[in-house]
Amino acid sequence: GENVEQHPSTLSVQEGDSAVIKCTYSDSASNYFPWYKQELGKRPQLIIDIRSNVGEKKDQRIAVTLNKTAKHFSLHITETQPEDSAVYFCAASLPYGKLTFGQGTILTVHP
Amino acid sequence: SQTIHQWPATLVQPVGSPLSLECTVEGTSNPNLYWYRQAAGRGLQLLFYSVGIGQISSEVPQNLSASRPQDRQFILSSKKLLLSDSGFYLCAWTRQGTMNTEAFFGQGTRLTVV
Repeated sequence: GENVEQHPSTLSVQEGDSAVIKCTYSDSASNYFPWYKQELGKRPQLIIDIRSNVGEKKDQRIAVTLNKTAKHFSLHITETQPEDSAVYFCAASLPYGKLTFGQGTILTVHP
Repeated sequence: SQTIHQWPATLVQPVGSPLSLECTVEGTSNPNLYWYRQAAGRGLQLLFYSVGIGQISSEVPQNLSASRPQDRQFILSSKKLLLSDSGFYLCAWTRQGTMNTEAFFGQGTRLTVV
């Protein structure tokens, strides 16, 4: 089955800096890669996703890049704000398949 | 619009007692359904996955079980809880089909086994 590795496990940045979280996946047939943000005690919510036919996608301060050859994808957050502090999860999905999550990254943005 | 309901929100159970967590989805049909467990506020561990009524895939050996008696109902159960079963349990659904879409999560159940 699919295996997703996520790094780093914790990330601390100053407000205004950029944050980058990286994930690798094992199954080259995976074709959908979402990113979720989970605030303390709440449910994970989708913040951005990318499909295998696209190399990069951007939504305001958030961008995701995908390298299918290397089987890795990354989340980039620019101009970080304290409210960006949360746990971030990457995930990968095969066609017709289940969603497999990475281990999560605790992002802390210091004012 | 689609909604997902999960209950209860919190639960404190003694070791050895049974467990039943319920999840229902509204506004869609034939969803993929998932049960995840999250320990210590970190990784989402997939416990069970279902593509249809009565079709359950178990991802992790454990003393938990899942059932899908109806298309949009997913139940997580245990006959005898262990201390290690404590955690945050999340139900989720996705649409079936070749174009995978986002997963929608329930509010979660915080289970404490004492």
